[in-house]
Amino acid sequence: GAGVSQTPSNKVTEKGKYVELRCDPISGHTALYWYRQSLGQGPEFLIYFQGTGAADDSGLPNDRFFAVRPEGSVSTLKIQRTERGDSAVYLCASSPSSSGGGDTQYFGPGTRLTVL
Amino acid sequence: AQSVSQHNHHVILSEAASLELGCNYSYGGTVNLFWYVQYPGQHLQLLLKYFSGDPLVKGIKGFEAEFIKSKFSFNLRKPSVQWSDTAEYFCAVNAYGNNRLAFGKGNQVVVIP
Repeated sequence: GAGVSQTPSNKVTEKGKYVELRCDPISGHTALYWYRQSLGQGPEFLIYFQGTGAADDSGLPNDRFFAVRPEGSVSTLKIQRTERGDSAVYLCASSPSSSGGGDTQYFGPGTRLTVL
Repeated sequence: AQSVSQHNHHVILSEAASLELGCNYSYGGTVNLFWYVQYPGQHLQLLLKYFSGDPLVKGIKGFEAEFIKSKFSFNLRKPSVQWSDTAEYFCAVNAYGNNRLAFGKGNQVVVIP
C-alpha cells in the first residue's frame, strides 16, 4: 500500500515569504506527526495530531509555525514570515493510533525547505 | 523532556565486521525505545523497537538491540555487517503515553566492501 507522501519534495523561498507543506498519511492512520531535521541533527518534534485536533504542539518553535488537519487525514504545515533558520527537512509521520506511544511511526520522504 | 545521546557519529568498518552503536537516554519513567535507519536516498524506516517484555529485541536484517534499564541504554548490534548496511542510524525514545519521539543525532555508518 501507499506510504506517507509529502509535497513538495523541495521548496525554495525567500526570507519573509509564506510557505505551506503538505502531508498525506497512510490511509486509516489516526495519528499524524511533524518533525524538522536540520543538517547533522536527528529529527526534532514539532506537533502531533490525533484525528483533527492537535494533541501536542509543544514543539512548534514560535507563532510563525502553524499546522492543521481539518478532516483528520491530510495535514498542512504553515510557516509565516520565513527566516533563513527555518531551512531544514520537514518530515511527516503517521501511525495507526496513539495508544501508549509504542506504535511505529511511518515516515514520509520529507520536504526540503530552503529559505534564501 | 527526554533526550537521547548517540556517540561516534561517523563509523567506518569493513564487511563482516561487528557493529555496535550506543544509545543513552535521559528519562526516569517508563519508555518506548526505537532504532530507525535511513538508507541513502530513502526515508526513515523502523529497524526495531522495544516497549515491554524481553529486553533483547530482534529487528530486520539481522539487527538486535538490548534495553538495559539500569544504564538507560538501548545499544544496537549486528554481528556481521554488509555493504548494504551503509546508512544513518537514529535512536529514538518516547515516554510511555507520550507520542512525541526524541531522536539522537544519528550515526553515519559506512561499510567498505
